Amino acid sequence: KNQVEQSPQSLIILEGKNCTLQCNYTVSPFSNLRWYKQDTGRGPVSLTIMTFSENTKSNGRYTATLDADTKQSSLHITASQLSDSASYICVVSAENTGNQFYFGTGTSLTVIP
Amino acid sequence: KAGVTQTPRYLIKTRGQQVTLSCSPISGHRSVSWYQQTPGQGLQFLFEYFSETQRNKGNFPGRFSGRQFSNSRSEMNVSTLELGDSALYLCASSPWGSFSYNEQFFGPGTRLTVL
Repeated sequence: KNQVEQSPQSLIILEGKNCTLQCNYTVSPFSNLRWYKQDTGRGPVSLTIMTFSENTKSNGRYTATLDADTKQSSLHITASQLSDSASYICVVSAENTGNQFYFGTGTSLTVIP
Repeated sequence: KAGVTQTPRYLIKTRGQQVTLSCSPISGHRSVSWYQQTPGQGLQFLFEYFSETQRNKGNFPGRFSGRQFSNSRSEMNVSTLELGDSALYLCASSPWGSFSYNEQFFGPGTRLTVL
């Protein structure tokens, strides 16, 4: 069954600290993996998109990694800021007879001063 | 460059009614995709339109339909509304297609409440 699981479900960290969010998937055939940031009440914002041949991709303080062999991805946030408080969603797309997106349920991150 | 716009931002309907939501993509983008987001199910893909043709479709009943116009603006229609259709409806645009290796840009969403 095609699934995307994210952990932890929620996380609270101090401002300035680093954190890592996890995404495990069983989607096949794999096309690409995306990380989104979604502030409360707003649409998601794209952070990174990676294909199976990419191991690492950065976007400012956000760095995503992908291990296509173990079907795991992580999103590392460096020197967190209060504005990083949001939900982070991992999305995997499958490319077959009918393209489909498989969504994780997200990690809710709260950064406190 | 203007972002993705969605109208209306909020809607309240009653069961059995129908509703039409509108999405204007970023200028030059040919792909518009629609998503439903609820606290229980999270984000779910509804369908994608590219150059006025539905190109991909998620697992939603036929009550959910859409269309795209020649200027790439898109509308989504939900007929015979049910309580479970209450959700945030998001649209996203991209230059070459939602499933291609390119970034999707989301609008702010339309919050639909069905009473």
